[in-house]
Amino acid sequence: DTAVSQTPKYLVTQMGNDKSIKCEQNLGHDTMYWYKQDSKKFLKIMFSYNNKELIINETVPNRFSPKSPDKAHLNLHINSLELGDSAVYFCASSPYRTGGYYEQYFGPGTRLTVT
Amino acid sequence: AQSVTQLDSQVPVFEEAPVELRCNYSSSVSVYLFWYVQYPNQGLQLLLKYLSGSTLVKGINGFEAEFNKSQTSFHLRKPSVHISDTAEYFCAVSDKGAQKLVFGQGTRLTINP
Repeated sequence: DTAVSQTPKYLVTQMGNDKSIKCEQNLGHDTMYWYKQDSKKFLKIMFSYNNKELIINETVPNRFSPKSPDKAHLNLHINSLELGDSAVYFCASSPYRTGGYYEQYFGPGTRLTVT
Repeated sequence: AQSVTQLDSQVPVFEEAPVELRCNYSSSVSVYLFWYVQYPNQGLQLLLKYLSGSTLVKGINGFEAEFNKSQTSFHLRKPSVHISDTAEYFCAVSDKGAQKLVFGQGTRLTINP
């Protein structure tokens, strides 16, 4: 009964390739996110979707394209991978309640290594 | 823009000793505050949260944190740590009503036997 799941857990690929990471949540949340964690453990939001609609797009290169087929899924497609894309990518979801957004629930992460 | 500063990048302590991990955030009218823990090679797990009400919040695994509005701080404490508490701890803040969580740089807590 995993709450937020991601596939794959590890992804090793060469520069220039295109790859996708998938995320699914079974918590019934309306909002989903993608975060990037760099080698120094710094976490930065990339995108957020609310009910399949893009809400936040944080100065991310347009080689990164999120897609939300429904509110339980948020995928991340990366074109023309570069060495600097190597990081751990986390998916998260959060409920919306009166007063605003609350805590976020994170997936296990996808470690992307570009060689 | 909202920002979070975790004042210590690493905190080594002995087992069964108390610990405090410090977190300061930039001022805003209303904020929600969170502490997350990341065990090695795992995702982030919510430890505790402050949304409103009592300034002392208790979380999982014996951790607690105190919201201090005048000092814009949200320090995390545990009276007696265990080896299993070894992990990276992240403080995060969101403006009330906002979707965006802003994270601090993380504090690596190392417990020595």
